[in-house]
Amino acid sequence: EPEVTQTPSHQVTQMGQEVILRCVPISNHLYFYWYRQILGQKVEFLVSFYNNEISEKSEIFDDQFSVERPDGSNFTLKIRSTKLEDSAMYFCASSGLAVYNEQFFGPGTRLTVL
Amino acid sequence: AQTVTQSQPEMSVQEAETVTLSCTYDTSESDYYLFWYKQPPSRQMILVIRQEAYKQQNATENRFSVNFQKAAKSFSLKISDSQLGDAAMYFCAYRSPNYGGATNKLIFGTGTLLAVQP
Repeated sequence: EPEVTQTPSHQVTQMGQEVILRCVPISNHLYFYWYRQILGQKVEFLVSFYNNEISEKSEIFDDQFSVERPDGSNFTLKIRSTKLEDSAMYFCASSGLAVYNEQFFGPGTRLTVL
Repeated sequence: AQTVTQSQPEMSVQEAETVTLSCTYDTSESDYYLFWYKQPPSRQMILVIRQEAYKQQNATENRFSVNFQKAAKSFSLKISDSQLGDAAMYFCAYRSPNYGGATNKLIFGTGTLLAVQP
């Protein structure tokens, strides 16, 4: 069964450093998403991406964040200058054009900012 | 803006028994989708069940069923014959319909941690 994959599973970085989180969505999907879950809290929407552009972003997704689909298979989330409060689990998801458009989630990347 | 509320931070059930997890939501939309996701200790989000708002019939997936009350904006999840593997965090989520560019984002509740006692 096709699945969304994410790398790395755990990333540790120093405050102020740039990180890139990588995702490989399901191959025939057209919508891509990033969500964030701070430990013990709910899952929050960050950004959605369709047709090579951002279709929606939340207030969390400020200028420090960017997304890219560099090669037609990967979907990346870049945080330019990490802050302590960026420590969280980051989930990538993708969906197709089905009527109800189920989002399939990857296993997540745990980002720890020291 | 739409909101999703899960008022039960934790629930416990005996193995083989039935448990119901509550979810309420607020929206001014008449058409939308509702979901229950399971997040086991591995942290992966797994879709359990979905409900389209225009369907009056409650969705069922094996031991999982929902009680969808549109007028009350309530969407509870019933787990029958609970198994040890059902122990997880359960999130209720809302999504607007995908009408040509409308948002597809999921809006999640705060989750209910379900423990299953042997």
